[in-house]
Amino acid sequence: DQQVKQNSPSLSVQEGRISILNCDYTNSMFDYFLWYKKYPAEGPTFLISISSIKDKNEDGRFTVFLNKSAKHLSLHIVPSQPGDSAVYFCAAPPQTGANNLFFGTGTRLTVIP
Amino acid sequence: DTAVSQTPKYLVTQMGNDKSIKCEQNLGHDTMYWYKQDSKKFLKIMFSYNNKELIINETVPNRFSPKSPDKAHLNLHINSLELGDSAVYFCASSANRNEKLFFGSGTQLSVL
Repeated sequence: DQQVKQNSPSLSVQEGRISILNCDYTNSMFDYFLWYKKYPAEGPTFLISISSIKDKNEDGRFTVFLNKSAKHLSLHIVPSQPGDSAVYFCAAPPQTGANNLFFGTGTRLTVIP
Repeated sequence: DTAVSQTPKYLVTQMGNDKSIKCEQNLGHDTMYWYKQDSKKFLKIMFSYNNKELIINETVPNRFSPKSPDKAHLNLHINSLELGDSAVYFCASSANRNEKLFFGSGTQLSVL
């Protein structure tokens, strides 16, 4: 019963273009979302987060958009760089202050030089 | 100077054996976790400890037993290993009730 879903297992983008990674969730009680980035043979590392009181959060080349009515969020990377090639996980805690996260299955981004 | 370190990185063993994975964090965090990433790439919580106290214990066979000697360490012991235990196990930590987790680099367990 996946409450956080990433339906695209992979995405390829040319260097310099925009990468858009998508994530859907089923539980309308989720109020905080995170994106993690994972390189091979390493653990996931935190990238960016967004609270449900916002619909956009930006950090350098990374922007996360939240559409609560659609239960959808997306991560935009502009411009994409080869070093961005990794697996990106969307995640959400089951409730505020929870100690664990529900993760999506990840999207493998390949940025082509 | 790794923040969350876990050992070993790779573990290959026979069915029926007992093995342990160690985890240490030097971030001063109060909460530590074990996550399992299976062959379908699902990352799922197994256990969570807060100040050495077990607070989350998902539906995990009791062959898996976490042990937290102090709040900087959370080890995972697995008894009577089965083929289905093959996965990547990630240790993580966070400041108390902060959702931002810091992960170790993972332990790839292969049960033959």
